[in-house]
Amino acid sequence: GESVGLHLPTLSVQEGDNSIINCAYSNSASDYFIWYKQESGKGPQFIIDIRSNMDKRQGQRVTVLLNKTVKHLSLQIAATQPGDSAVYFCAERGGTSYGKLTFGQGTILTVHP
Amino acid sequence: DTEVTQTPKHLVMGMTNKKSLKCEQHMGHRAMYWYKQKAKKPPELMFVYSYEKLSINESVPSRFSPECPNSSLLNLHLHALQPEDSALYLCASSHDRGREKLFFGSGTQLSVL
Repeated sequence: GESVGLHLPTLSVQEGDNSIINCAYSNSASDYFIWYKQESGKGPQFIIDIRSNMDKRQGQRVTVLLNKTVKHLSLQIAATQPGDSAVYFCAERGGTSYGKLTFGQGTILTVHP
Repeated sequence: DTEVTQTPKHLVMGMTNKKSLKCEQHMGHRAMYWYKQKAKKPPELMFVYSYEKLSINESVPSRFSPECPNSSLLNLHLHALQPEDSALYLCASSHDRGREKLFFGSGTQLSVL
């Protein structure tokens, strides 16, 4: 299940399950959103992005949903694999703040074989 | 080549030392970034270079001095750091400042003693 507290939110799933990672953002002027995956000892790796004029975008095994009404972003991972275990960050660009990506706090995804 | 290369991977320095972090990309990107990441926290923007000129400085202390010698290289010069500056320093690049699909390097893990 998912938990939020003083530590990073965590999500534990079984291999083969679908995973949903959520992200709330606060800047209603944000017009570009991006999901990154960060494995231990590595830099963030691009997964998928979406612009504010869209509400859904699909990639390979991943889907990003954007709900601007409630300022919510989600990342869906289909058929989650142990290699998907990592920390997932959402990031937003606030309107005309070109060059400035602000990262969310991150979610730890653990996939059990 | 979609790599951003950072050296060194690890660095230990005393508070009186001067050291430099280096970053290189050969993707033809014209925007380059320095981020700082503390353990279990999201990356925080420090500097943005656009077309080899400093365009964003997020009020970073002067003991951190960025330099962009050419469009492929980005340095971060360190002097008189404090133990609380210990962190993972990430370099990233993007096509240009208005396109924030960032490609990250693996970072330099810095320890200040």
